[in-house]
Amino acid sequence: EAGVAQSPRYKIIEKRQSVAFWCNPISGHATLYWYQQILGQGPKLLIQFQNNGVVDDSQLPKDRFSAERLKGVDSTLKIQPAKLEDSAVYLCASSFILAGEMVDEQFFGPGTRLTVL
Amino acid sequence: DAKTTQPNSMESNEEEPVHLPCNHSTISGTDYIHWYRQLPSQGPEYVIHGLTSNVNNRMASLAIAEDRKSSTLILHRATLRDAAVYYCILRDMSFGNEKLTFGTGTRLTIIP
Repeated sequence: EAGVAQSPRYKIIEKRQSVAFWCNPISGHATLYWYQQILGQGPKLLIQFQNNGVVDDSQLPKDRFSAERLKGVDSTLKIQPAKLEDSAVYLCASSFILAGEMVDEQFFGPGTRLTVL
Repeated sequence: DAKTTQPNSMESNEEEPVHLPCNHSTISGTDYIHWYRQLPSQGPEYVIHGLTSNVNNRMASLAIAEDRKSSTLILHRATLRDAAVYYCILRDMSFGNEKLTFGTGTRLTIIP
């Protein structure tokens, strides 16, 4: 079974530039998550999709971050304009919730390491 | 989300058992205890989860205190590939909440 795919793996940009990250979840996984992981910290959830609808985006800085999941499969996370403090690893995860099953496992991709200069 | 407390770092010798503690004194009755680990330069991966009873799987065992205010992840025979940051996470599933709230975890070093 193929895992969660993310691209690019690394990106270096200057502040005030724009950047986009792409995620392809595991086939059949309805739920998709984007996390931000700053060096030395645990991942922080930015946004959660169920199919193509947003379930939780309470920690997404909406003035500069946006995300979409068209057709309920692939997803794109965009930052415009980037700030120095956006330097982090951006992780995508997906999960498959069985009907009536309360607990699910999240599968993470390798992440995209963003450096903002 | 209820808070967990873990040691910042631990060391263990290769091929010996490792006990990773987690305190969660404010756990509620509907909180599941999850453990994930993050190997260097990789995304986190699921290890194990439980609610009240001890759990075993191919990767590890989870021992949950009777009052559920603490738990211990047990790696029965550590290898160098087990060197990672281990996260203990509580997930309240009473309303179908699926969010994972990561802390800073425990960095496990395996000594050859």
